[in-house]
Amino acid sequence: GDSVTQMEGPVTLSEEAFLTINCTYTATGYPSLFWYVQYPGEGLQLLLKATKADDKGSNKGFEATYRKETTSFHLEKGSVQVSDSAVYFCALSDHSGNTPLVFGKGTRLSVIA
Amino acid sequence: DAGITQSPRYKITETGRQVTLMCHQTWSHSYMFWYRQDLGHGLRLIYYSAAADITDKGEVPDGYVVSRSKTENFPLTLESATRSQTSVYFCASSTDPAHLSGANVLTFGAGSRLTVL
Repeated sequence: GDSVTQMEGPVTLSEEAFLTINCTYTATGYPSLFWYVQYPGEGLQLLLKATKADDKGSNKGFEATYRKETTSFHLEKGSVQVSDSAVYFCALSDHSGNTPLVFGKGTRLSVIA
Repeated sequence: DAGITQSPRYKITETGRQVTLMCHQTWSHSYMFWYRQDLGHGLRLIYYSAAADITDKGEVPDGYVVSRSKTENFPLTLESATRSQTSVYFCASSTDPAHLSGANVLTFGAGSRLTVL
């Protein structure tokens, strides 16, 4: 079945450092891809998405590009802030519409001042 | 208030007791979901519902019961709680046909932390 694999955490960075969180997927067909973020004590919220190959999703300085050739959707940010400390989840949606979102296990990011 | 509300936010219970976690959404979203979040496992889908009176099992349904008599409510019941059901539970909803089109944006509640002693 469909699956998402993301890098193990936790990831600890200094403020203004460059962030990459790797995400690769396995799916039949052409899924939509998502990054969700969970701030401490809250539910998940959508950060960005891409619905077809080569699309770039972006929001709040984060971006991710849908790479069909490498089945990847890596999350990047050029300069992280303390407020970016959260758990980040990669997810995919099967275009068939028959199955709910599949989530990765999450990557915890801690940014220190 | 508009949004998706879960209650209770925190619950401590004992093994063998019945527990119901409530979820209410005000958008009339067709789809609703229950996930549990555990360290090392991420988010795992328990049950979901495409509409009132339609429910389907997810990845980890054993030990849980759901119902959806009204579009806005999707309660999750643990009929006889076990320690392995200690977790944080998240309810989510999404529009239809977002699910079919691939947009599939989920809106999550704030979570219910359940401890089974």
